[in-house]
Amino acid sequence: EAGVAQSPRYKIIEKRQSVAFWCNPISGHATLYWYQQILGQGPKLLIQFQNNGVVDDSQLPKDRFSAERLKGVDSTLKIQPAKLEDSAVYLCASSLAGLGGANVLTFGAGSRLTVL
Amino acid sequence: GNSVTQMEGPVTLSEEAFLTINCTYTATGYPSLFWYVQYPGEGLQLLLKATKADDKGSNKGFEATYRKETTSFHLEKGSVQVSDSAVYFCALTGGTGGYQKVTFGIGTKLQVIP
Repeated sequence: EAGVAQSPRYKIIEKRQSVAFWCNPISGHATLYWYQQILGQGPKLLIQFQNNGVVDDSQLPKDRFSAERLKGVDSTLKIQPAKLEDSAVYLCASSLAGLGGANVLTFGAGSRLTVL
Repeated sequence: GNSVTQMEGPVTLSEEAFLTINCTYTATGYPSLFWYVQYPGEGLQLLLKATKADDKGSNKGFEATYRKETTSFHLEKGSVQVSDSAVYFCALTGGTGGYQKVTFGIGTKLQVIP
């Protein structure tokens, strides 16, 4: 089966500019996640979708970050305006369901953002 | 809230050495526990998992046992290879039902030298 697709793989912008990342999950996976991974740290959940509804966005900086999941399939994460501390790898992951335990995530390769 | 603590790296081992990467957790209820691995230039992928106390997850020669009494899930391998060089992440899902968030540790970088 095809994996989780993400684009772009790399993006360099200046602070205060905007950027958007796209993710296409594995077909049939109801749950989609966006994680932020800063160098030397573990992935931090930004937002979790169940189909096209948000079930957790408690750590999403809503003044500058936004995300949507169109028709419960692919998703876009936007940052506007970007700050230096947003430099990180943005990981998209999907899973069959978010309910219950043993929830195995399949990750994309990530989108590396550098803010100058 | 839930949290995962794992040993900081980097860990440098010679080929065929024994590997242990420590992981302890804090969670309510009965979490499921995971090890994910990130090879250079690739995304994270599941290495192994355990869903209840005393379960042992295993894959590719790696093992980890879910120890509820010590809240631990240490990763072990008897003989590492150069190809095992990667970053290893311990993770858990919340144990109280409903939509569960996956919480990751900071990752431990392993470098295996020939």
